[in-house]
Amino acid sequence: QVQLQESGPGLVKPSETLSLTCSVSGGSIRNFYWTWLRQTPGKGLEWIGYIYYSGNTDYNPNTDYNPSLESRVTISRDTSNNQLSLRLSSVTAADTAIYYCAAISVSGYILVWGQGNLVTVSS
Amino acid sequence: EIVLTQSPGTLSLSPGERATLSCRASQNVGSDLAWYQQKPGQAPRLLIYDASDRATGIPARFSGSGSGTDFTLTISSLEPEDFAVYYCQQRYNWPPITFGQGTRLEIK
Repeated sequence: QVQLQESGPGLVKPSETLSLTCSVSGGSIRNFYWTWLRQTPGKGLEWIGYIYYSGNTDYNPNTDYNPSLESRVTISRDTSNNQLSLRLSSVTAADTAIYYCAAISVSGYILVWGQGNLVTVSS
Repeated sequence: EIVLTQSPGTLSLSPGERATLSCRASQNVGSDLAWYQQKPGQAPRLLIYDASDRATGIPARFSGSGSGTDFTLTISSLEPEDFAVYYCQQRYNWPPITFGQGTRLEIK
């Protein structure tokens, strides 16, 4: 059973970059599609983006992002450590949220969720 | 972007009663819809996918129906552990995926 654990700072200053890591256990990051989402009381659940491998290559994962965040977000992977990462630049208070990493099926449903990481943007 | 609207916002029922939750899509999504349950302090959990298929380990009292723009999650007889927030999610021509704003199911 795949398990996910997010980690990273709980507080980020405005205009800085939010960086989170997701450690994957019980499965290889090569074998699934992976996604990041966030949740706020105001906007609810929001899809941030995803990363996946096509074919047998480790070198060119594909990514796709929510158009509303695309200019600020990067999702990447570290196959040697079986980890995923999220970077969101130029954060504002509106980026305050619980951030989740998750395994998403090829068909687009969230199969496994991490426990979530609350990030507050404040000076 | 496909917008999902859930109703009601809050549903107050007693254990043993039947719960009916609705999700309406802003355009036709076929059967490309899922339901999730979220309890306080926890991540959501997949209950139903493809509008009516139960995910692994989900009790038979949970059922989903609908297609096109109107979908329903039914809990046939509420157990105490079923009181939570429920979200619908569409994956029609994903990415992106989008979620409804949630229905809170509370004990009456």
